[in-house]
Amino acid sequence: DAKTTQPNSMESNEEEPVHLPCNHSTISGTDYIHWYRQLPSQGPEYVIHGLTSNVNNRMASLAIAEDRKSSTLILHRATLRDAAVYYCILRGPSGGSYIPTFGRGTSLIVHP
Amino acid sequence: NAGVMQNPRHLVRRRGQEARLRCSPMKGHSHVYWYRQLPEEGLKFMVYLQKENIIDESGMPKERFSAEFPKEGPSILRIQQVVRGDSAAYFCASSPAQGSLTGELFFGEGSRLTVL
Repeated sequence: DAKTTQPNSMESNEEEPVHLPCNHSTISGTDYIHWYRQLPSQGPEYVIHGLTSNVNNRMASLAIAEDRKSSTLILHRATLRDAAVYYCILRGPSGGSYIPTFGRGTSLIVHP
Repeated sequence: NAGVMQNPRHLVRRRGQEARLRCSPMKGHSHVYWYRQLPEEGLKFMVYLQKENIIDESGMPKERFSAEFPKEGPSILRIQQVVRGDSAAYFCASSPAQGSLTGELFFGEGSRLTVL
């Protein structure tokens, strides 16, 4: 079952970029990399996902290493509303990893 | 298009009572996942259901917990004879059949169970 490793917490200042790292050294070729975030007292919210190529959407960018053993979620300009726990998870059809497994994630603190 | 609806949002039960948590997936979604989140902890997978089928219940406690997703109506997570350790936030997520193995999940706001 593929797993991910993230720092427990990170801090940023408002309006600065934030790079949230995730290591997934045991990723298989068919695993997608997903990011979710959970704001206080709310349910998790999908942010972005990708397979091999970097991805951009209105919320964030996802940079995937060439060997796919790590990825980085990029928030281009952090706002106070981005303070949340960010989860990096793998989803794939092989080895039972299609069940999204959430670790402790990274708690992002944004300073005004 | 309404999102995933969970109710009740807050539920208080005394030890030994039953708790029923309901989850209505997004329109057109036929796959439902239930997760439990204890205070200050991450989300723990409980069960994965499709309409009328339990696909994976490897995260469900062996006793007192059950889940269903009938052909009509919401998915229900049932906890019998609740104990204080069942106090947690229970989240439901749904996904469409297509891309259900690798696509995004849509989560509800959760049901917060407090056992007195």
